[in-house]
Formats: sequence, structure tokens, C-alpha cells
Amino acid sequence: DAGVIQSPRHEVTEMGQEVTLRCKPISGHDYLFWYRQTMMRGLELLIYFNNNVPIDDSGMPEDRFSAKMPNASFSTLKIQPSEPRDSAVYFCASSSRQGRGWEQFFGPGTRLTVL
Amino acid sequence: RKEVEQDPGPFNVPEGATVAFNCTYSNSASQSFFWYRQDCRKEPKLLMSVYSSGNEDGRFTAQLNRASQYISLLIRDSKLSDSATYLCVVNSAGNKLTFGGGTRVLVKP
Repeated sequence: DAGVIQSPRHEVTEMGQEVTLRCKPISGHDYLFWYRQTMMRGLELLIYFNNNVPIDDSGMPEDRFSAKMPNASFSTLKIQPSEPRDSAVYFCASSSRQGRGWEQFFGPGTRLTVL
Repeated sequence: RKEVEQDPGPFNVPEGATVAFNCTYSNSASQSFFWYRQDCRKEPKLLMSVYSSGNEDGRFTAQLNRASQYISLLIRDSKLSDSATYLCVVNSAGNKLTFGGGTRVLVKP
């Protein structure tokens, strides 16, 4: 079975540019999560969706960040304009209430570097 | 105060030895608890859930102390492949998880 798929795996961009990260959750999972991981702050939840609807976006750092889930098999996280402090690994995860408790399955992550 | 706190380590462990470490959580209403494992430059993966009565999964034993609000993980007969960062994870409501900063374990021959 395919796991959570993220693209791109690595992104290097310049300050001020728009960055779009993509995620395909595991088929049948009705929850999707976006996380950011840095050495300083660890793993932080940015936003999560249930049945394509955003439920909690309290972790989104500021208006430069936006996330969408147009259908059950695709989500995007956009940063516009990007800043050097946005450099981090961004993980997408999905889960289902039918799974092992609340186990979340993570994608391989997108390593973002903003110069 | 962070919602979930862990000793960052590293814990340097001789191969075959036992290592144990804790994490504390601040929200007394927390309902579910987990340990995730994260290898270097990889994604986190569920290691085991933590149940109120304590539970084992092979060489791994997890304990929960609700009164003192801490969770522990013990690894027996450590293998080189156990070297990783162990993330303490707490579910306070719904499907939202809060991750600790992780405890790094290095098993050496």
C-alpha cells in the first residue's frame, strides 16, 4: 500500500518567493495534518482537516501560510511570501478513526530552505 | 511551560543494556498517550500506544502515571538499531496530537 506522498522532497527558494507543498494522504483516511519540524521548536502542528474541512488552524504561524484540501486525496500548504525563518521540514500526516487508535501516518517530509 | 517535555539526551547506551526515560505532560485532561520513533532525517512512526495499566511490546515497556502526569519508556537488551529519537506524544482532544521535543538514544557496540 502506498503511504502518504509528499512533493517536492526538497525545495530551495529565495526570500519573497511563493512555495507550494503538496500531499496525498493514504486512501480512505479522513484526517489530514500539516506539521513543521525545526531543531529549535520541534514538531509543531500547523493545521488539520477532517473530511476535507479545516478543523483547527491555530498553529498556522501567520497570514503568509495557507492550506487547502480540495478533495480527499490532495492537500496543499502554501507560503507566500516565504522568509528564511520558514526553513524547516514540513510533514503531512493522515489518519483514520478505523485505524490503531489515533495513529497518524507521516509522509517523508519536504525539506524547505529559504535563502 | 511546554505541554509535553522530554529530556533531549542523548542517552548513550551500551549494546545489550537497558535504558529508560520519561516525559511529562501538563494537561491533566489528556486522554491518550503514545511513543513515536524518528530516525535521523526520516518521518516519525508510531512505536507503541501507552495504556493506563502499562504495556509491553517485545523489548519495549511503556508506563503511564496519571497522578504525576508522566509517561515512561524502557528499552531492554538495546540493539544498535534502537538508535533514534523517541517522541512522547499526547492526545488531549479529538484527533490532535502534541509532540514532545524528543529524547535521543544512541546505542553503541
